[in-house]
Amino acid sequence: DTAVSQTPKYLVTQMGNDKSIKCEQNLGHDTMYWYKQDSKKFLKIMFSYNNKELIINETVPNRFSPKSPDKAHLNLHINSLELGDSAVYFCASSPTSGGLGDNEQFFGPGTRLTVL
Amino acid sequence: GEDVEQSLFLSVREGDSSVINCTYTDSSSTYLYWYKQEPGAGLQLLTYIFSNMDMKQDQRLTVLLNKKDKHLSLRIADTQTGDSAIYFCAEKVGGGKLIFGQGTELSVKP
Repeated sequence: DTAVSQTPKYLVTQMGNDKSIKCEQNLGHDTMYWYKQDSKKFLKIMFSYNNKELIINETVPNRFSPKSPDKAHLNLHINSLELGDSAVYFCASSPTSGGLGDNEQFFGPGTRLTVL
Repeated sequence: GEDVEQSLFLSVREGDSSVINCTYTDSSSTYLYWYKQEPGAGLQLLTYIFSNMDMKQDQRLTVLLNKKDKHLSLRIADTQTGDSAIYFCAEKVGGGKLIFGQGTELSVKP
């Protein structure tokens, strides 16, 4: 049973297109995150949601719009894709209470986005 | 500010100990974490340490924290080829955010 799953695993698309990446967790966690890992493996948080409410929004272009239909899902929609958006995007989730320091984050396998 | 730094590469021989170092800047960090990323996979939590602890041992892993110098290290005893991966240090800061280092690529040679 996959705890945090993402689809698709690979996404290749043209500049200017709009695409979505989906994330689901079956851990019963209240908080979900999106991270971007660039080609140098640098990992940076983009967004986090708690019970469908946005709580962290780092300096991310507004072409990126997260959507949380329920607390088990956090999708990432990207408009007008640019070359610099090529990266691996990781979804994660954590409990809001309990766990390690209230923030043990469980990561999905990642979605490798390539913009041509 | 929020910044976490690690050296990028470490190469060791199988059976030796590996020590991966990390420095951080936010003195309000409450928890510090070590994550492992194998090729093509997500991040897996290895261990963590609370900021009021100096040391934590978990089987082959030993975490040392020097809060005064804001220095964290991960020692892997009897390193195996299966330990080859990228290791990320992360600190928990305000708002529950995790700030990650750049990752240290550990290469274990037979």
